[in-house]
Amino acid sequence: DTAVSQTPKYLVTQMGNDKSIKCEQNLGHDTMYWYKQDSKKFLKIMFSYNNKELIINETVPNRFSPKSPDKAHLNLHINSLELGDSAVYFCASAGSGRGTQPQHFGDGTRLSIL
Amino acid sequence: DAKTTQPPSMDCAEGRAANLPCNHSTISGNEYVYWYRQIHSQGPQYIIHGLKNNETNEMASLIITEDRKSSTLILPHATLRDTAVYYCIVRVAVSLSGGSNYKLTFGKGTLLTVNP
Repeated sequence: DTAVSQTPKYLVTQMGNDKSIKCEQNLGHDTMYWYKQDSKKFLKIMFSYNNKELIINETVPNRFSPKSPDKAHLNLHINSLELGDSAVYFCASAGSGRGTQPQHFGDGTRLSIL
Repeated sequence: DAKTTQPPSMDCAEGRAANLPCNHSTISGNEYVYWYRQIHSQGPQYIIHGLKNNETNEMASLIITEDRKSSTLILPHATLRDTAVYYCIVRVAVSLSGGSNYKLTFGKGTLLTVNP
């Protein structure tokens, strides 16, 4: 069973389009994240939600809007796609509580902007 | 965020132990050291974490120096499937509520190549 699943795995689209990436976790975790890995392979956090509440919002353009319908889902909507948005986007989740629960990652969505 | 320094690449013979070093000289007293790895085209995979004591699990061992300024990840018997980029990360809490409200800041990591 896939713990953190992302769809689609590959996304090829044209500049200016609007697209969404979906993420679902079946681990019962309260916190979910979106990371971006660019062409230089740097992984950077974008957003974090805890129980549907936005906790972390790094310096990300307003064109990116995360949406969490419930704590098992965190979707990423991107408006007016630009060439620089080409990257691999990873979703992750972690348990809550005063512990040190590690983050579990999905296998990524490879976004290519033409 | 506490910064970590890792060698860009390392080689290891299959079946031998792989020792991956990491420096984190600016680490604070309540910051944990986490290790993840990323096998080509996959998402990062959690390996192990620790605060100040040495830790061991089914994947690896983590040795943290007494002053906590450096650590070493040990893969006791490396296999070809262990070839990956290994990231040493100092976890930073985002809010006072603790728990999972933290972020991971990934560096460049170490590309470990296990050779037959």
